[in-house]
Amino acid sequence: SQQGEEDPQALSIQEGENATMNCSYKTSINNLQWYRQNSGRGLVHLILIRSNEREKHSGRLRVTLDTSKKSSSLLITASRAADTASYFCATGRLLWGSQGNLIFGKGTKLSVKP
Amino acid sequence: SQTIHQWPATLVQPVGSPLSLECTVEGTSNPNLYWYRQAAGRGLQLLFYSVGIGQISSEVPQNLSASRPQDRQFILSSKKLLLSDSGFYLCAWSGLRDSYEQYFGPGTRLTVT
Repeated sequence: SQQGEEDPQALSIQEGENATMNCSYKTSINNLQWYRQNSGRGLVHLILIRSNEREKHSGRLRVTLDTSKKSSSLLITASRAADTASYFCATGRLLWGSQGNLIFGKGTKLSVKP
Repeated sequence: SQTIHQWPATLVQPVGSPLSLECTVEGTSNPNLYWYRQAAGRGLQLLFYSVGIGQISSEVPQNLSASRPQDRQFILSSKKLLLSDSGFYLCAWSGLRDSYEQYFGPGTRLTVT
């Protein structure tokens, strides 16, 4: 079953603009992750934020987490055409003790026009 | 560094035929291994995961099966493919310490005709 729901489903912006994608989830989590997928390729891990963290940065990426609202946002600043991809949030839950498992949303398709 | 391989990259199979997709990981020991399926325009659905040789857990009952004959080898199989098995199949691994971060292979595009 799907836990994360990304919003919007699709986003089209001009190069240089900021892109914001949101993710909502339903149950308690240990962590939330964002992944990127170029068309027809595998997923690439971008950033992980733990349930006790509120904000995290990595290069042009900024992720926030609000566990009271069960939501997260991914901000890509100064977007580039190469950022065009689908972005997925995934929530981590525990299985078999320390074993992690992820539940993915349906993704936001970002298109950055040059 | 760690790398993950999947083959074949694309596959077209008739309904009722068998399936075998292979995934191997290099540069790490005792990884957790995962098989996902991604339907067109959809998110990822976890099919199987494994924490060790011969240890397979199924998330979704279906006509697919998985095996882990070696530490870094994960195989997805079917005896008889259905049309609904078409999709993009992704293998992923995670380490014991960072079991929450998963690293994906390039995927196999399966079309059942």
